[in-house]
Amino acid sequence: NAGVTQTPKFRVLKTGQSMTLLCAQDMNHEYMYWYRQDPGMGLRLIHYSVGEGTTAKGEVPDGYNVSRLKKQNFLLGLESAAPSQTSVYFCASSRAWFRGANEAFFGQGTRLTVV
Amino acid sequence: KNEVEQSPQNLTAQEGEFITINCSYSVGISALHWLQQHPGGGIVSLFMLSSGKKKHGRLIATINIQEKHSSLHITASHPRDSAVYICAVKQGGNKLVFGAGTILRVKS
Repeated sequence: NAGVTQTPKFRVLKTGQSMTLLCAQDMNHEYMYWYRQDPGMGLRLIHYSVGEGTTAKGEVPDGYNVSRLKKQNFLLGLESAAPSQTSVYFCASSRAWFRGANEAFFGQGTRLTVV
Repeated sequence: KNEVEQSPQNLTAQEGEFITINCSYSVGISALHWLQQHPGGGIVSLFMLSSGKKKHGRLIATINIQEKHSSLHITASHPRDSAVYICAVKQGGNKLVFGAGTILRVKS
């Protein structure tokens, strides 16, 4: 099925460990986004990309890095995980930036716990 | 204070009831989105509004730009409507601000 696929779905990390979350979309979308979702708060944009080879910071970029080497993949990296990064992470893609009649397609989420 | 406020935070309804979820925002916007997040975590886009009203099946979304308010209505609610409903507003400069969500549980 077409859509946005995130891996892994769950992960537990120890403080200081590193990991990479992978987001893959097969809709040829230019725009991709990484959000985090925390209890009582709305989704917050971490980083985004407007095309292959480009990335930009969102609202809460500190402690994260991203790469978009291929159009279909958007990677989110945590170099040294901290308990404050315990969250549910969502990847999304869209043909254009949430405007006009375009829809944003979201992945299923990755539940990350940092202990 | 969040720029986007949703109410109620939690809502339990009986199957068949008419449900209203509200979204108020404090900034100028160019569009408003309603999203649905299922228990499994996946998020889907329900509506994008810039004025008036939209209907899709049992779902109706309205927006009043002057009052900075939008409502999402569900008619003849069903347990499968149980989900988190999220309002998001698009501001100038392509900034998208999300509400914290309304957790809806429909009991049979």
